[in-house]
Amino acid sequence: EDQVTQSPEALRLQEGESSSLNCSYTVSGLRGLFWYRQDPGKGPEFLFTLYSAGEEKEKERLKATLTKKESFLHITAPKPEDSATYLCAVQGRGTSYGKLTFGQGTILTVHP
Amino acid sequence: NAGVTQTPKFRVLKTGQSMTLLCAQDMNHEYMYWYRQDPGMGLRLIHYSVGEGTTAKGEVPDGYNVSRLKKQNFLLGLESAAPSQTSVYFCASSRGGVMIYGYTFGSGTRLTVV
Repeated sequence: EDQVTQSPEALRLQEGESSSLNCSYTVSGLRGLFWYRQDPGKGPEFLFTLYSAGEEKEKERLKATLTKKESFLHITAPKPEDSATYLCAVQGRGTSYGKLTFGQGTILTVHP
Repeated sequence: NAGVTQTPKFRVLKTGQSMTLLCAQDMNHEYMYWYRQDPGMGLRLIHYSVGEGTTAKGEVPDGYNVSRLKKQNFLLGLESAAPSQTSVYFCASSRGGVMIYGYTFGSGTRLTVV
């Protein structure tokens, strides 16, 4: 059974204070690891897909990296508008039909 | 450019009442999913569909039924609502096939069962 654990549960940063969110996973053969952003009262919004260890992807102040056991979402010089819940999900080779297993999310708050 | 549309956005039900949540997508996606999101438990898969006329059970299917009579629509039904079904429900869709695609989510339905 695929499992995803995200840490920390909540993170408070000052504007400009860089940090990282962690996503640890166990999966029977990784097909893809996904990062989503979720704003209060809205559905998750797709950010990145990573497919293999060593892969990195960037979007504005966000950079996602992947190892064989975990993924990090690095936030460089965050702004208040980066405040949201960040979700990690995996799709393993043992699953079918695009099903994803999600972590519980990290609630990020960036203070001005 | 609607993407995935869920209706209604909010609903309050009494225990034992029934209702249907509607999900519509305009991206010609093959796969559709219903998830529920509860505090501290993340997103959990209720049911999914890999094409028109098909449905399958997910992680937490009890108390729910689904139908996909048309490719663009995926309906989630609660036959006899229970307080444990109080949650935020999200519909999602993806292209499907052998390639790996992310989901496009709807904006959610907040359901309270009293």
